[in-house]
Amino acid sequence: EAGVAQSPRYKIIEKRQSVAFWCNPISGHATLYWYQQILGQGPKLLIQFQNNGVVDDSQLPKDRFSAERLKGVDSTLKIQPAKLEDSAVYLCASTSTYEQYFGPGTRLTVT
Amino acid sequence: QKEVEQNSGPLSVPEGAIASLNCTYSDRGSQSFFWYRQYSGKSPELIMSIYSNGDKEDGRFTAQLNKASQYVSLLIRDSQPSDSATYLCAVNIYNQGGKLIFGQGTELSVKP
Repeated sequence: EAGVAQSPRYKIIEKRQSVAFWCNPISGHATLYWYQQILGQGPKLLIQFQNNGVVDDSQLPKDRFSAERLKGVDSTLKIQPAKLEDSAVYLCASTSTYEQYFGPGTRLTVT
Repeated sequence: QKEVEQNSGPLSVPEGAIASLNCTYSDRGSQSFFWYRQYSGKSPELIMSIYSNGDKEDGRFTAQLNKASQYVSLLIRDSQPSDSATYLCAVNIYNQGGKLIFGQGTELSVKP
């Protein structure tokens, strides 16, 4: 069974630029999550989708972050404009029950 | 008070010893508990899940849950250098739609 796929793996941008990350969950997993992990911390949930609907986006900085999951399969997370404090690893996870499985992540560096 | 707390470490144990990792949580509505292992530069990997009080064993790993004390632990028997990683405790809170709250992680170092 293929795991969660993410791209790109690494991205370096300047502040105020925009960036987008892509995630394809494990086949059949209805629930998809985006997490932000800052160095030395545990992952923090940004947004949760159930199929193509948003379940929880309470910690998503909506003035600069947006996410969508069209057709209930793959998802895109966008940051526009980026700030220095957005430098982190962005993790996508999916589940069909309670156990969440993570993709390899995208390491974002904002300079 | 943080929702999920772990000792940040680093925890250093000799090869072959038992490593004990601890986690406390604040929400009594928590119902599912997970341990993830994260190697440096890699994403978290699920190694154990536990849903009811008591012990759950899987190979060299044992998860222990005590809901009354709001405490969950992970024991690693016969620790190997390849176990050196950060271990993340994660808690699923009832009626929050499967959202996981993570601790900050405990760094484990197993010395040969």
